[in-house]
Amino acid sequence: GQQVMQIPQYQHVQEGEDFTTYCNSSTTLSNIQWYKQRPGGHPVFLIQLVKSGEVKKQKRLTFQFGEAKKNSSLHITATQTTDVGTYFCAKEGGSEKLVFGKGTKLTVNP
Amino acid sequence: DGGITQSPKYLFRKEGQNVTLSCEQNLNHDAMYWYRQDPGQGLRLIYYSQIVNDFQKGDIAEGYSVSREKKESFPLTVTSAQKNPTAFYLCASTHRGSGNTIYFGEGSWLTVV
Repeated sequence: GQQVMQIPQYQHVQEGEDFTTYCNSSTTLSNIQWYKQRPGGHPVFLIQLVKSGEVKKQKRLTFQFGEAKKNSSLHITATQTTDVGTYFCAKEGGSEKLVFGKGTKLTVNP
Repeated sequence: DGGITQSPKYLFRKEGQNVTLSCEQNLNHDAMYWYRQDPGQGLRLIYYSQIVNDFQKGDIAEGYSVSREKKESFPLTVTSAQKNPTAFYLCASTHRGSGNTIYFGEGSWLTVV
């Protein structure tokens, strides 16, 4: 398959700590998308990055796209219990398919 | 409200039986997808359809079948040939073209008993 590599697979933090998940591809990406799936729910779109070196923020979430457009990261500052869930990155896999990483499952200890 | 509706939410199937999962969207999206989710495996693409009356196999199509007779509907049949069908199934749709957001339904839990 053409999966993007996502690390770590699991991350447990204390509430208030920061969290980062990384997404890596062996090929240059045209864009990358990030999704969040709450426990028992379905994935929901968070953001799309397109430009080399792009940085976007959504409140406590910071998304980065690498200069070479082969990697991306999602950083959450001062995690809250509402941040729990699995975060997926996704890349275009040709033929208008979206290929997802395996996700990083975040748990937050209050 | 616009969205994607999957049914049923929960389904139990006896071994050897086929089962069909429904997916309907009223977003006027051209492309529709079926993903399977297992713990620790992320989302794996089963089938996708970019246009009515056309569909392609994804990475794990064996033991599954689909149809796309209408733009808004993309049902998935899990056949008895699927050896390990117990999973969470997600239907999704999007406009055609590069970089479009995928919208997911709420999913269907299939358990083989």
